[in-house]
Amino acid sequence: DAGVIQSPRHEVTEMGQEVTLRCKPISGHDYLFWYRQTMMRGLELLIYFNNNVPIDDSGMPEDRFSAKMPNASFSTLKIQPSEPRDSAVYFCASSLLGDEQFFGPGTRLTVL
Amino acid sequence: QKEVEQNSGPLSVPEGAIASLNCTYSDRGSQSFFWYRQYSGKSPELIMFIYSNGDKEDGRFTAQLNKASQYVSLLIRDSQPSDSATYLCAVISQYNTDKLIFGTGTRLQVFP
Repeated sequence: DAGVIQSPRHEVTEMGQEVTLRCKPISGHDYLFWYRQTMMRGLELLIYFNNNVPIDDSGMPEDRFSAKMPNASFSTLKIQPSEPRDSAVYFCASSLLGDEQFFGPGTRLTVL
Repeated sequence: QKEVEQNSGPLSVPEGAIASLNCTYSDRGSQSFFWYRQYSGKSPELIMFIYSNGDKEDGRFTAQLNKASQYVSLLIRDSQPSDSATYLCAVISQYNTDKLIFGTGTRLQVFP
């Protein structure tokens, strides 16, 4: 298996623009997690899905953030409009049972 | 009090020594405990998990769990410069068995 796949790997955008991050989980994994990592706050869970259904979005910072999982092999995290404080590395992770999580390579987002 | 606490380090050890990384957690009912390694600019990688009190060994790595003291540790024997990374402790709470709660990580430096 190729592991968790994320795209793009790097994204540079200007404040106010829409940003869409993409994730393909490991085939057969029922759980998908979106995390954000910054030096100041460490690794934060934003939202997670079980069987394509959002279970807990309490970590989503505000309404500018949204996430979808239209099928078992694809998820998106969207930021609209983006702000400089959204600059971070965004990781997607997947898990078979919710415990052992496998992370993708991450998307480094810079909002100017 | 943070749910999962780690000393940020850096912890510096000479090559060949034992590195001891520590983690405490606040939820006494926590069930599962994980150690992730994260190299600079890379994603977290699962290296160990432990569910029961005591020690669990895997190669040069030993995870130790003491639920009474709410303490989990990771020992790295015969430390190598390639072990230099940030080590993240993660815990699954009794209240939500789908979510990993991460500490902020300890940076380990192994010098030749």
